Amino acid sequence: GAVVSQHPSRVICKSGTSVKIECRSLDFQATTMFWYRQFPKQSLMLMATSNEGSKATYEQGVEKDKFLINHASLTLSTLTVTSAHPEDSSFYICSADQMEGAQETQYFGPGTRLLVL
Amino acid sequence: GQQVMQIPQYQHVQEGEDFTTYCNSSTTLSNIQWYKQRPGGHPVFLIQLVKSGEVKKQKRLTFQFGEAKKNSSLHITATQTTDVGTYFCAGTSNTGKLIFGQGTTLQVKP
Repeated sequence: GAVVSQHPSRVICKSGTSVKIECRSLDFQATTMFWYRQFPKQSLMLMATSNEGSKATYEQGVEKDKFLINHASLTLSTLTVTSAHPEDSSFYICSADQMEGAQETQYFGPGTRLLVL
Repeated sequence: GQQVMQIPQYQHVQEGEDFTTYCNSSTTLSNIQWYKQRPGGHPVFLIQLVKSGEVKKQKRLTFQFGEAKKNSSLHITATQTTDVGTYFCAGTSNTGKLIFGQGTTLQVKP
């Protein structure tokens, strides 16, 4: 199957700083990537859909100025958590779509655990 | 908004027992996908069901998609300790978004 990587895997930062998370599709091109957030023992919540070459589409309740998304190439999307606060601590996971025949499959990255002190 | 409900939230079974998790959507889905997330890991794609009434098997795992394309189930026969994890269903809505259920966390006692 397709491989999606994320970097960094873990990050600890001070309140007020910004953190950038990278999501890469390693062996395929992805015009669409997705960013999810997962709190402990909870489900994945879609934050935004990242579209290559255009603006991201944010879900209701997600601040686009707080969570900046850039999808500059067909293999890279970045999520920047600006002015992070402790409540932003979470597990952030990206995924990328790949068509396999008639089936569209989402492949998830390994996730990034963010802890804001 | 569109919701995907999954039950039960937790299930503890003895190794060798069967396990089933159920998924229900408030609206018709174009397809349903199932994922497994091991503790500390990320979701891993298991399967996608597209057709009404579809049944697919992967070794001890049986996946079903309801006739109305609003519900689905995952059944594991004779659980093993390696089956431990959280199983998520995710339905693709008419807007193309993947909506995840809350997940069912399976614990297997050896």
